[in-house]
Amino acid sequence: QKEVEQNSGPLSVPEGAIASLNCTYSDRGSQSFFWYRQYSGKSPELIMFIYSNGDKEDGRFTAQLNKASQYVSLLIRDSQPSDSATYLCAVTGGFKTIFGAGTRLFVKA
Amino acid sequence: DTAVSQTPKYLVTQMGNDKSIKCEQNLGHDTMYWYKQDSKKFLKIMFSYNNKELIINETVPNRFSPKSPDKAHLNLHINSLELGDSAVYFCASSQAILTWEDRGLGYTFGSGTRLTVV
Repeated sequence: QKEVEQNSGPLSVPEGAIASLNCTYSDRGSQSFFWYRQYSGKSPELIMFIYSNGDKEDGRFTAQLNKASQYVSLLIRDSQPSDSATYLCAVTGGFKTIFGAGTRLFVKA
Repeated sequence: DTAVSQTPKYLVTQMGNDKSIKCEQNLGHDTMYWYKQDSKKFLKIMFSYNNKELIINETVPNRFSPKSPDKAHLNLHINSLELGDSAVYFCASSQAILTWEDRGLGYTFGSGTRLTVV
């Protein structure tokens, strides 16, 4: 069983729409949850983190966490073609951070 | 100034060779990592050092040996390279999680080393 699961996509949304990216994790003791964005041929860059149940907003990004369901999501409002990338969910417990395989997002102009 | 720098960026080598990848961070972070990203983009932890001490050593062949001469450097040496070693190797660093406020700091990644074994 994979420890962090994401739908590989591709997820295709029109420009201006809301993109919804989902992630589930298996370790109930996980403490921190991250979303990284990775453009093709580039390194991952941190865009959001969340550690408490509920929503956390930062600009056009909203991270949502539900520890009871072991579920974390990322919403991107007013999606732009520049948001086209692979989004990696990462879950930390103790010293270890486990990454999901990522969801590819395409935003069509 | 580059925060986490890796060299080389590209490495093409023949099977059986030995190669090294170097990583340096100037962020003052205590913890450094090596991750391997395969062709399916899956990012998998290999090693982690905290202030020169090995704290994570995942199931990785003995041919891979990390070395951390100080907390700002973490190098990766690979012996007897195999075709399956072809991947992108990312170095990363993070501040040690010493306080509750540190837990959201996440990683800073280097630009990656694309290793191709032929």
